[in-house]
Amino acid sequence: GEDVEQSLFLSVREGDSSVINCTYTDSSSTYLYWYKQEPGAGLQLLTYIFSNMDMKQDQRLTVLLNKKDKHLSLRIADTQTGDSAIYFCAERGNAGNMLTFGGGTRLMVKP
Amino acid sequence: DADVTQTPRNRITKTGKRIMLECSQTKGHDRMYWYRQDPGLGLRLIYYSFDVKDINKGEISDGYSVSRQAQAKFSLSLESAIPNQTALYFCATSDSSSAGLAKNIQYFGAGTRLSVL
Repeated sequence: GEDVEQSLFLSVREGDSSVINCTYTDSSSTYLYWYKQEPGAGLQLLTYIFSNMDMKQDQRLTVLLNKKDKHLSLRIADTQTGDSAIYFCAERGNAGNMLTFGGGTRLMVKP
Repeated sequence: DADVTQTPRNRITKTGKRIMLECSQTKGHDRMYWYRQDPGLGLRLIYYSFDVKDINKGEISDGYSVSRQAQAKFSLSLESAIPNQTALYFCATSDSSSAGLAKNIQYFGAGTRLSVL
């Protein structure tokens, strides 16, 4: 089946930028998503990018997509302690409505 | 997302017991999903349902069953719980009538933490 990989852990200082990376194997991916999971809560959609785009900016968030390398990244500018959470990358292939999730990256923001 | 409610939020049970996790939604969505989350493994799909008469196995359906009692309700059962089913379980919904990107957005409940001793 298709695979989505993420590093497990990232630690940054408050005010720095965070970059969370994701790689995927499905060459037919149409939409790619970033979800955020705060402690004790479910996943919430943070942002997304369509596969024919290479960049999307939304306030402090920048999503970069390299379709050739099947690499997705999420950059959080001016990272705050409230950004501490687990971030999941997910992709939707061309068939069906199913999402494949990565293992999640735990972001820790130090004051 | 408060529109997707899972009960119970926490459950401890013993090996061999039957247990049911419930999910209800007020979003009016037709599609519902059950996932399991294990540390470092992300979310894995157990079962999904595209409408009341439709049930489909996901990646890891062995040991689980589901029932779609109504459009708004989707329950997950463990017929005979075993310790390696200890995990965080999430229900999610999506709306097939939405167009484009919105069609693929899944909305999650807060999760049920299950421990099987």
